[in-house]
Amino acid sequence: SQTIHQWPATLVQPVGSPLSLECTVEGTSNPNLYWYRQAAGRGLQLLFYSVGIGQISSEVPQNLSASRPQDRQFILSSKKLLLSDSGFYLCAWRPPVRNTEAFFGQGTRLTVV
Amino acid sequence: AQSVAQPEDQVNVAEGNPLTVKCTYSVSGNPYLFWYVQYPNRGLQFLLKYITGDNLVKGSYGFEAEFNKSQTSFHLKKPSALVSDSALYFCAVRDGNTGFQKLVFGTGTRLLVSP
Repeated sequence: SQTIHQWPATLVQPVGSPLSLECTVEGTSNPNLYWYRQAAGRGLQLLFYSVGIGQISSEVPQNLSASRPQDRQFILSSKKLLLSDSGFYLCAWRPPVRNTEAFFGQGTRLTVV
Repeated sequence: AQSVAQPEDQVNVAEGNPLTVKCTYSVSGNPYLFWYVQYPNRGLQFLLKYITGDNLVKGSYGFEAEFNKSQTSFHLKKPSALVSDSALYFCAVRDGNTGFQKLVFGTGTRLLVSP
């Protein structure tokens, strides 16, 4: 069966420090991958999505970047964190066929101090 | 570009009563519609989806949703609410024709079921 792993679960980082959040999917090939941010426990903002290795679509210009170095690995990064980067970050995947739903990881709570 | 609106920040219902959580959408092509639930500090769990076919779709935990093309709505329903249904509910849409990879969510509706 397919599983998605996202880590760490919580992270406290100082302003100006770098960030690297990792998401991996097991048991599938060529998944569509997504990064979302959820602020204040509410709406989900789509940050990046990827349909293949090295293919990244950015939805919102911001202080973050994403990379997909391997088929089932999706990384969210920042060179210098801002206070406004705090939030709950969710990774998701879905099979690359039309009728499928997405499956979410358990999320990373990032607090920038 | 596709979008989703969830007009209610919070829905309050007594246990045993029916519940409805509203969702309207906008896409240029055929809508693929989804409902998810989120419990505190957790990821989203899939409830149900509409792709094509019957306008009434049934999902997990007794939830169902009705697709209405003329009103561009996809409201989530349950005949009898449970206290354990209290959570944050998200509606999402994907454009089935053009940008089928991009999945866009609404702002969420908090459901509070009182005993």
